[in-house]
Formats: sequence, C-alpha cells, structure tokens
Amino acid sequence: DAKTTQPPSMDCAEGRAANLPCNHSTISGNEYVYWYRQIHSQGPQYIIHGLKNNETNEMASLIITEDRKSSTLILPHATLRDTAVYYCIVKRGSGNTGKLIFGQGTTLQVKP
Amino acid sequence: EPEVTQTPSHQVTQMGQEVILRCVPISNHLYFYWYRQILGQKVEFLVSFYNNEISEKSEIFDDQFSVERPDGSNFTLKIRSTKLEDSAMYFCASSSSDRAPYNSPLHFGNGTRLTVT
Repeated sequence: DAKTTQPPSMDCAEGRAANLPCNHSTISGNEYVYWYRQIHSQGPQYIIHGLKNNETNEMASLIITEDRKSSTLILPHATLRDTAVYYCIVKRGSGNTGKLIFGQGTTLQVKP
Repeated sequence: EPEVTQTPSHQVTQMGQEVILRCVPISNHLYFYWYRQILGQKVEFLVSFYNNEISEKSEIFDDQFSVERPDGSNFTLKIRSTKLEDSAMYFCASSSSDRAPYNSPLHFGNGTRLTVT
C-alpha cells in the first residue's frame, strides 16, 4: 500500500475552514484515499474516501489532485469538537482484505 | 445510525490469564477486524476475518491470539496467556460487502482498554 505523508500538527480557528494536506506520491491507479479521525483515544471515525474525483459528504470534502499524488481534507467550519488526530490512508484495491494501515496522522487543534 | 459495540470498556487482568474481548459488528456487515493501540502509539492492524476464517493477520497476531464468530452477531478476540505488553486499547471494526472491501469503509467500535498487571 502507498505510504502517506502528513504534517504532524496543525491549528485552526473555530468557525474557519480546516484544510488538512496529505501527500501520497506513490499511489497507484487502484488505490483509494481514506480519511479517518480519532478523538481522544476513541475508536477511529470514518470521514470520507475517494478514488479520483472530489467527494463531499455531511462531514467534509475531499479534494484529490489530478495526478492523485496528494489530497486535502476540508472541514468547512471547524468546531472545538473537531479537535482530533486525522489520518490519511491509502487502501489498495483488489486482492485486499479491506484492512487499513494507520500512520501517525495530523493532530488538529481547533482554537476558540 | 448502526454502530459497532464492544464490551467490556475496560478489563484488568493478571499476567498469564486468558481474556476474551467481545464485539458486536454492524448487523449486515461481513468483514471483521481487530486493531490495537498501545498508549501513545499508532493504531495497529491485528487480523481480518471473512466467511468464518482469518483472511489476513499481522506479525503481532501470534499463537497467543485467536478470533471467533461464535454466533451470528458476536466477534471475539481471545488472548490465551496475557503479557504486560498486551496492555492496549483493542478496537473492533466491520465493513459491508455490498461493495468491494477496498471500496467499503471500516466502522470502528470505541474499544476495550486492556490492562495487564
């Protein structure tokens, strides 16, 4: 599975958009980009995933560059409850049992 | 919204004892997983389970570990003889098969904190 690189930490002001970058320059054509978050040792929470196209759901938007080598998770109006560790994970398609491999993630601190 | 539930939330055991951690996956899901997270470290994959058998396991998942789906709802992780280094949060996860497993998100429970003394 392709490795990902994320900044170890970021700050964001409450009410502003939080833009979390992820680099996955070795991604291959059948690999999906997944985003999860973990709030204070709770179970990881699924946010969003995509293959090529940008995706949006009620939690966030995922912007994937045309070459697929990087992506950005956007939380449009961050709240204090969005303070968490955010994981960008590339999951191989086909022949995969579906497992996710977590890295260190980005610790997002939302400040009042 | 359906969720993965895990019991107990916290278990304390003595070194050498057997423990069983229990999980109830989301009801229409067919792929099941166990992960662990040692305090301050990454979330680590242990094992995946599909169609009543292990489909993949990590190096951590040695002979001391086993998984079982004893009935249609529960999914368990057994540690036969616990060691101090087994102290961790253990997370269960499940995913559906209405899409391929690589295009299906895993949904995690809130974990069991295992403390081995």
